[in-house]
Amino acid sequence: AQSVTQLDSQVPVFEEAPVELRCNYSSSVSVYLFWYVQYPNQGLQLLLKYLSGSTLVKGINGFEAEFNKSQTSFHLRKPSVHISDTAEYFCAGMDSNYQLIWGAGTKLIIKP
Amino acid sequence: GAGVSQTPSNKVTEKGKYVELRCDPISGHTALYWYRQSLGQGPEFLIYFQGTGAADDSGLPNDRFFAVRPEGSVSTLKIQRTERGDSAVYLCASSLTSARRGAGELFFGEGSRLTVL
Repeated sequence: AQSVTQLDSQVPVFEEAPVELRCNYSSSVSVYLFWYVQYPNQGLQLLLKYLSGSTLVKGINGFEAEFNKSQTSFHLRKPSVHISDTAEYFCAGMDSNYQLIWGAGTKLIIKP
Repeated sequence: GAGVSQTPSNKVTEKGKYVELRCDPISGHTALYWYRQSLGQGPEFLIYFQGTGAADDSGLPNDRFFAVRPEGSVSTLKIQRTERGDSAVYLCASSLTSARRGAGELFFGEGSRLTVL
């Protein structure tokens, strides 16, 4: 079955500390991979995407993600988080019909 | 407006009633998507329009759910004989081009929260 897995439902981290949000995809999901972010009371917005090329993808707000084919992972990272990064982050992959398959989301909680 | 607009933002209804949720996409976006998001889960695909036609409705859970986009812009998601299990946030998204060429870059509205009592 096609699936995208975000193992952590919540990740608490201190402000200015680094963070990694984990995402794994099933091998039946295409290697078009995405991270979306949902800030409080706002709609989902695209953070970054991997379609091909360099395995390290840079997105908005200082986030980056690395595509790892052997580990079927696409983890999201930021070297130093800010209180404004408080949001829910969703990983998604694309199925054979070019529709997105979504993970359950990870809430990033920034501790002052 | 500049973004995807969804109305109502909140809807409370009784079991068995009929509900309509509206989505006004970004002007010029040909692709429009409906998703359903339950608490603690990611969005679940319902239906995708390319222009006026439903290009993929494989995600609609049953025949109580129906969506239209008669003029290729505004879309309405219609739910008949609502059930408590239909309670969720219904998300609409649009994209400048087709699902294949849009490569997953969707622009989302803030959602319509439906509560069925």
